[in-house]
Amino acid sequence: AQTVTQSQPEMSVQEAETVTLSCTYDTSESDYYLFWYKQPPSRQMILVIRQEAYKQQNATENRFSVNFQKAAKSFSLKISDSQLGDAAMYFCAYKGNKLVFGAGTILRVKS
Amino acid sequence: KAGVTQTPRYLIKTRGQQVTLSCSPISGHRSVSWYQQTPGQGLQFLFEYFSETQRNKGNFPGRFSGRQFSNSRSEMNVSTLELGDSALYLCASSYLMTTANTEAFFGQGTRLTVV
Repeated sequence: AQTVTQSQPEMSVQEAETVTLSCTYDTSESDYYLFWYKQPPSRQMILVIRQEAYKQQNATENRFSVNFQKAAKSFSLKISDSQLGDAAMYFCAYKGNKLVFGAGTILRVKS
Repeated sequence: KAGVTQTPRYLIKTRGQQVTLSCSPISGHRSVSWYQQTPGQGLQFLFEYFSETQRNKGNFPGRFSGRQFSNSRSEMNVSTLELGDSALYLCASSYLMTTANTEAFFGQGTRLTVV
């Protein structure tokens, strides 16, 4: 069974600075997708960024980028120029035949 | 384009009762998946429906069931409610099944409290 591990229950970052959230996963599949979702206090899950496992190039979406290390089964999220609106719970997710989520990392942004 | 709509948003039920939650996917989406979110267990997959058929199921007891209608709307039912069923239930819709290269869009969830 696939598992996703987020080892940081909580992280803090100063506004305008950079923060990296960690995620590792375990799978025997070769074809899969990885995601980072953001869940603000409203509880709406919002897709932040996605990565196809067959692509070597790391995905980037504006201030959000990933470091995808397939051999190490690592998928970290880097948020640059952090903003107050980035404060939320962040979930790493693996998609094979179903979405498997990590436990989440609470990100706090200090002004 | 309207997003994923879940009703009701909040629900309070008594132990032993049953409850039905509803999810209307984005127009044109044929896959609906359900997740349970609790502080202790995190986000756990319940089941996925595609074209009115259950395609995948998580590790939940038979008290949890669902169905999908021809218009892709889905309902989830929990019978004989237990205190531990208190959770946020999230629904996600996608154009294709989860196995495909397709993005899942989530609703705002139904907060179920069992007393």
